Order: sequence, then structure tokens, then C-alpha cells
Amino acid sequence: DAGVIQSPRHEVTEMGQEVTLRCKPISGHDYLFWYRQTMMRGLELLIYFNNNVPIDDSGMPEDRFSAKMPNASFSTLKIQPSEPRDSAVYFCASTMGGAGGYTFGSGTRLTVV
Amino acid sequence: KNQVEQSPQSLIILEGKNCTLQCNYTVSPFSNLRWYKQDTGRGPVSLTIMTFSENTKSNGRYTATLDADTKQSSLHITASQLSDSASYICVVSANAGNMLTFGGGTRLMVKP
Repeated sequence: DAGVIQSPRHEVTEMGQEVTLRCKPISGHDYLFWYRQTMMRGLELLIYFNNNVPIDDSGMPEDRFSAKMPNASFSTLKIQPSEPRDSAVYFCASTMGGAGGYTFGSGTRLTVV
Repeated sequence: KNQVEQSPQSLIILEGKNCTLQCNYTVSPFSNLRWYKQDTGRGPVSLTIMTFSENTKSNGRYTATLDADTKQSSLHITASQLSDSASYICVVSANAGNMLTFGGGTRLMVKP
């Protein structure tokens, strides 16, 4: 298995532009999580899905952020419009649930200028 | 509020030496505790997972301990190598394991 696959690895965009981050979880994993990591705040949960359904989106910072999971093998995190304070590394992770291991993707480093 | 505190924030040791990283948590109801290693520019990778009944678990040169009474965990690295240079993150799960609370991490640098 190739693990959790995220794209792009790096994204540089101008303030106000729309940004879409993509994630392909491990096949068979029922849970998918989106995290944001910054030096100041560490890893923060943004939203997670169970069987493609959003369960908890309380970590989504603002209405500018939205996430979808149209099927079991694909999820997107969209920021519209983007702002410089959104600059961070965004990680996707998946798990079978319970005490099972989480597998993280390599992350997308987003820079908004 | 669920919290995970790690210490020290950063650590520099010489290659070949041992070190111990600490993690204190106030997460309830406790499900399990995980230690992750995160290399620069990569996602976190799991080192160990411990449930309430486990006191110690090893993964090669990494040994994690858990004291559920005092809500403390440690990660001991033996005979450190240059490749151990990374951030080590303590993560505690509540509610059957699907909700994670992350510590701020300890940044370890191993020097030759």
C-alpha cells in the first residue's frame, strides 16, 4: 500500500485565491482526518469523516474552510479565499478506527503571500 | 479540557547517548497513548501505541512507558543515532480512540 497520499506537496498562492488540497486515504480505512500544523499551535484537528460523512468539523477555523469526501478514496480541503495566516502544513490521516494505528500523509505545505 | 504537555521542548544530545522524553496528560476518558516521530518535512510516523493496561512497550531502541495513575508517559531512546533527530509527539486518545489530543512535541537533535 502506498500509504496516505496528499497533493500537492507544496502550494504557494496569493491572498484571496482559492486553494484545494487533496487526500487519498489507505484503502479500507473508515476514518479520515484533516490536521493543520504550525510552529505556534502544533497539530490541530480541523475535521474528520467516518464512512465519508463529516462527524466533527468544530476545528474548522472559519467559513472560508470547507472539506468534502465524495467517496471512500478521496477527500478535499478547500480554502476560499485564502489568507496569509492560513500558511501552514496540512496533513491528512486515516485509520480503521478504535485503537488502530493512524497513518499520516506527507502533508501539503501551504504558503499564502 | 483535554491537554497533553511534553518536556523538554527541545533537546540536544551526542550520538550514542541515551535520552528520555516526558509526556503528561489530562485526557478523559483515556483510550490509548501513542508516540510519534516526525522527521522534518514529513508526516508523523507511529512508534508505539499503549492502552490503559500496558506499562511499557518497545520498538527497537525506543521504549515507551505509561503510568495511568499519574497520567505520565516517557519515551526512552537508547544509543541515539543521527537519524533520531526529529520531533517526537505524544498523542492521547479519548472516547474509543478516534479523538486525538496532541502534545506540542519535543525537538531532538543528535550531534556527532
